[in-house]
Amino acid sequence: LAKTTQPISMDSYEGQEVNITCSHNNIATNDYITWYQQFPSQGPRFIIQGYKTKVTNEVASLFIPADRKSSTLSLPRVSLSDTAVYYCLAPSYGGSQGNLIFGKGTKLSVKP
Amino acid sequence: SAVISQKPSRDICQRGTSLTIQCQVDSQVTMMFWYRQQPGQSLTLIATANQGSEATYESGFVIDKFPISRPNLTFSTLTVSNMSPEDSSIYLCSVTKTSGSAEQYFGPGTRLTVT
Repeated sequence: LAKTTQPISMDSYEGQEVNITCSHNNIATNDYITWYQQFPSQGPRFIIQGYKTKVTNEVASLFIPADRKSSTLSLPRVSLSDTAVYYCLAPSYGGSQGNLIFGKGTKLSVKP
Repeated sequence: SAVISQKPSRDICQRGTSLTIQCQVDSQVTMMFWYRQQPGQSLTLIATANQGSEATYESGFVIDKFPISRPNLTFSTLTVSNMSPEDSSIYLCSVTKTSGSAEQYFGPGTRLTVT
């Protein structure tokens, strides 16, 4: 399980693209990069997962450079409802337990 | 995906008492976990609930304080024993559908206040 570091907070405005970068310098070969979103008074929600290069789904894109020591979550055209805490994790896929270690996360505030 | 419910959604308890939190999943899952989240803080893993055997606890958490049961593939309970105000927190249940998967589904949480 690699330790991750991400900004504590970020501000944005509606309609802008938001990029949240996470560093995971000691990522291991078996580690995937995974992002979760958490709204107040709710449990975290899985957003996206990737191993290398680029992954895109209906919610976000995830960019992972070749050295995999960092990754960037990209949220296109954010709205007020994207205000949440975003967690970057690097769990080992295929591990015996699959448990997740959450860091402090990035609190994204989207303003009108 | 998986739909997870927790009971109770919130409770206020007196110190020295115990509370059992239930986690129910709408389908069979491989792994079930219990987390704790202090207000404004990140999540801390308490333990992995193992079906038919003792739970696996993380450092700083012990069975006497947080006994866990998992009688089948869709249900688990977490008991917070001999509560103190420091146990006031949100307790979350999560599951994975595939062993070793990083994609976890979380319940809505149980907000516990100990007075």
